[in-house]
Amino acid sequence: GNSVTQMEGPVTLSEEAFLTINCTYTATGYPSLFWYVQYPGEGLQLLLKATKADDKGSNKGFEATYRKETTSFHLEKGSVQVSDSAVYFCALSDFYNQGGKLIFGQGTELSVKP
Amino acid sequence: GAGVSQSPSNKVTEKGKDVELRCDPISGHTALYWYRQSLGQGLEFLIYFQGNSAPDKSGLPSDRFSAERTGGSVSTLTIQRTQQEDSAVYLCASSDPTGAALDTQYFGPGTRLTVL
Repeated sequence: GNSVTQMEGPVTLSEEAFLTINCTYTATGYPSLFWYVQYPGEGLQLLLKATKADDKGSNKGFEATYRKETTSFHLEKGSVQVSDSAVYFCALSDFYNQGGKLIFGQGTELSVKP
Repeated sequence: GAGVSQSPSNKVTEKGKDVELRCDPISGHTALYWYRQSLGQGLEFLIYFQGNSAPDKSGLPSDRFSAERTGGSVSTLTIQRTQQEDSAVYLCASSDPTGAALDTQYFGPGTRLTVL
């Protein structure tokens, strides 16, 4: 079945450092790929998404590119801020074959120090 | 407009009791999903409703779990004879599968269930 694997946390960075959180997936169809973020004490929010190969999703300085050849969707940000401290979840959904239910990775906690 | 709302925000119950968790989706969203977030299992899909179609119950962990959606809007997740391993945050999400963002789900704040 479909699955998502992302790098284990916690990840601790200094402010303005470069961030990469790795995510790889296994899917039989043509899924859409997502990054969701959960700030402390808050609910899940969609950060960005990509719906087909080579698409790049971007939001709030974060980017991720849908790479079919490497089955990856790594999250990157050039300069992190303390306010980016949160748990990040990579996810996929195959709307047409599986009704859009999200399959999540295990989450990566990011802590940014001033 | 209003987002997805869930109630109660916190629920503490004793082992063996039944609980009901409620979800109000975004108005006009015909798709509704339930997920569970727990320390040991991460984020897991439970059940999916789309319009008048039969729900996809493939993620329900046991027959103690059930859900219904009345009038295509509000949904209730029921857990019978609760066990300690049911302790988790239960998340509801909705989406508009007819729009351009058909695969984008919007999440509620969750209900934190604690089974003593």
